[in-house]
Amino acid sequence: EVQLLESGGGLVQPGGSLRLSCAASGFTFSTYGMSWVRQAPGKGLEWVSVIRGGGDISYADSVRGRFTVSRDNSRNTLYLQMSSLRVEDTAVYYCAKVIRSGWNVANFDYWGQGTLVTVSS
Amino acid sequence: QTVVTQEPSLSVSPGETVTLTCGLSSGSVSPRDYPSWYQQTPGQAPRTLIYNTNTRSFGVPDRFSGSILGNKAALTIAGAQADDESDYYCVLHVGSGISMFGGGTKLTVL
Repeated sequence: EVQLLESGGGLVQPGGSLRLSCAASGFTFSTYGMSWVRQAPGKGLEWVSVIRGGGDISYADSVRGRFTVSRDNSRNTLYLQMSSLRVEDTAVYYCAKVIRSGWNVANFDYWGQGTLVTVSS
Repeated sequence: QTVVTQEPSLSVSPGETVTLTCGLSSGSVSPRDYPSWYQQTPGQAPRTLIYNTNTRSFGVPDRFSGSILGNKAALTIAGAQADDESDYYCVLHVGSGISMFGGGTKLTVL
């Protein structure tokens, strides 16, 4: 059974940093792209980033230069290092598994339950 | 600035068919944009309905279908049921590994 479990969310001040993790199980993690998608309170979904199994990375314009996605295939874990956080980064952050090996498009089959990041002074 | 467009809200009567669309401000949507559709109810993670334009995800009933209609991607729900009342999001690959969600459609079944 595929499982994605996010952790690391919490309250952080504007300008601060936070690292999210997504622990994956139930599939060959190293061969699939993984993404982060966020949802601000009461708002729609926003694609944040994707990292292929081989490490190719893309970011949304809204986070490029401030967020860094990475993965540890030996630990089956996806990360999102967030820095220079802004109030508008407040959201539930979901990790999601790309549906086909080798793809980097936002076609997902599994989602985590999300972790809440609140940026506030 | 590329924008992915969806109807903000739609309503459908139980048993009827409704089509949600997903457009691209910069032009037409094609299968090369890998349209995908997700359903979300309040407080829950999204659920994958359709990927790669028209492939249903596991466990999705065949009442849900994806297609390209004209210059947009489309999600058609046939025989609408009360528990189809949800928010629906499309997402498109807009190039260079970047994807973009539409603003979502709030579907009411009444």
